[in-house]
Amino acid sequence: GAVVSQHPSWVICKSGTSVKIECRSLDFQATTMFWYRQFPKQSLMLMATSNEGSKATYEQGVEKDKFLINHASLTLSTLTVTSAHPEDSSFYICSAGVPDTQYFGPGTRLTVL
Amino acid sequence: RKEVEQDPGPFNVPEGATVAFNCTYSNSASQSFFWYRQDCRKEPKLLMSVYSSGNEDGRFTAQLNRASQYISLLIRDSKLSDSATYLCAVNEATDKLIFGTGTRLQVFP
Repeated sequence: GAVVSQHPSWVICKSGTSVKIECRSLDFQATTMFWYRQFPKQSLMLMATSNEGSKATYEQGVEKDKFLINHASLTLSTLTVTSAHPEDSSFYICSAGVPDTQYFGPGTRLTVL
Repeated sequence: RKEVEQDPGPFNVPEGATVAFNCTYSNSASQSFFWYRQDCRKEPKLLMSVYSSGNEDGRFTAQLNRASQYISLLIRDSKLSDSATYLCAVNEATDKLIFGTGTRLQVFP
């Protein structure tokens, strides 16, 4: 089956720093990738849709200037959390879309001190 | 009203029991439906897609009721390893997956 990787798997940073998370489709090309966030005991909430070669589409309430998304190739999308604060601490998961289904990366656990 | 709703549970059942989860969705234009399994601190993994005619995969049966806008998941002969959170997901025309909050299942010996 399709494999999606994420890096790093976990990160701890100080408040005010920026953190970059990479999402790669390892054995297929993905024109579209999705970024989700999951707080403890809550569901996955779609943050944005990342489109290769064009701007990302953000969901309502997600600040595009805070969560920078770059999808420079068909196998890589990055999410940068800028000026992270403790309330940004969460589990960030990407997925790569193939027709009628998506495959998820293993997630990145971000803790902002 | 939430787009996709599930009973959060937990459902505590003994080994061997049959358990069923329901999930309702609000967008009648939704096109594809899925059940995912998520273990603690892990990513969701696709359990099965849900087809209009209903489909079965071993001990798992999924059904879709478009008229009432709900999908269901039935697990027969529950195993300890079935303990997890089960998320339903609805795919809208744009390929966006909307998830429910998940139903937690705990199977005990």
